[in-house]
Amino acid sequence: GAGVSQSPSNKVTEKGKDVELRCDPISGHTALYWYRQSLGQGLEFLIYFQGNSAPDKSGLPSDRFSAERTGGSVSTLTIQRTQQEDSAVYLCASSSTIPQGNGYTFGSGTRLTVV
Amino acid sequence: AQTVTQSQPEMSVQEAETVTLSCTYDTSESDYYLFWYKQPPSRQMILVIRQEAYKQQNATENRFSVNFQKAAKSFSLKISDSQLGDAAMYFCAYRSGATDSWGKFQFGAGTQVVVTP
Repeated sequence: GAGVSQSPSNKVTEKGKDVELRCDPISGHTALYWYRQSLGQGLEFLIYFQGNSAPDKSGLPSDRFSAERTGGSVSTLTIQRTQQEDSAVYLCASSSTIPQGNGYTFGSGTRLTVV
Repeated sequence: AQTVTQSQPEMSVQEAETVTLSCTYDTSESDYYLFWYKQPPSRQMILVIRQEAYKQQNATENRFSVNFQKAAKSFSLKISDSQLGDAAMYFCAYRSGATDSWGKFQFGAGTQVVVTP
């Protein structure tokens, strides 16, 4: 696609429910990233995928968070047993293979509200 | 670990005037990249400008320019001839040049730019 697409745009869920957030990166981009942006704060790294390599999960805040990337393209971020502190905007980004000096291309994010 | 600090939560500027956003960072690396991103209400992060640490020349993109002071670890953004469309949150970001950690950006907390007519 022409840009990074994320769905849903907004999601309201009840505490304790599981949610899935989807990211469709730019075609041909081998690297995909997830960040979390809490209200009034900067972006917090969660996880990134690069080609067929094992993902770097070092930013995932707890074992309730997981992500997968199927076929080197679409990624799904899953949050199990959601808590109110999970409320944030979840941003996905992708980049080409050669990272040096390149920035990301971001999607518009999913705003998650846990009530 | 690297940290990025933006000390100005909000900056206000009149149309056609100039505003400078500050950013400092802490690192022990010599190979890295610095970025400024803009986030309008649409939430999508837009790359404004980038700077390679090994380049001494300051990057410029139209009305946007940076003042990169490597020794001082400072990376400020200047917006000239400000326009209403420049109103947004601006984030400074650091990216390591090391192959095993290039996937992570460190972002500052952001500076909200308000443009008044």
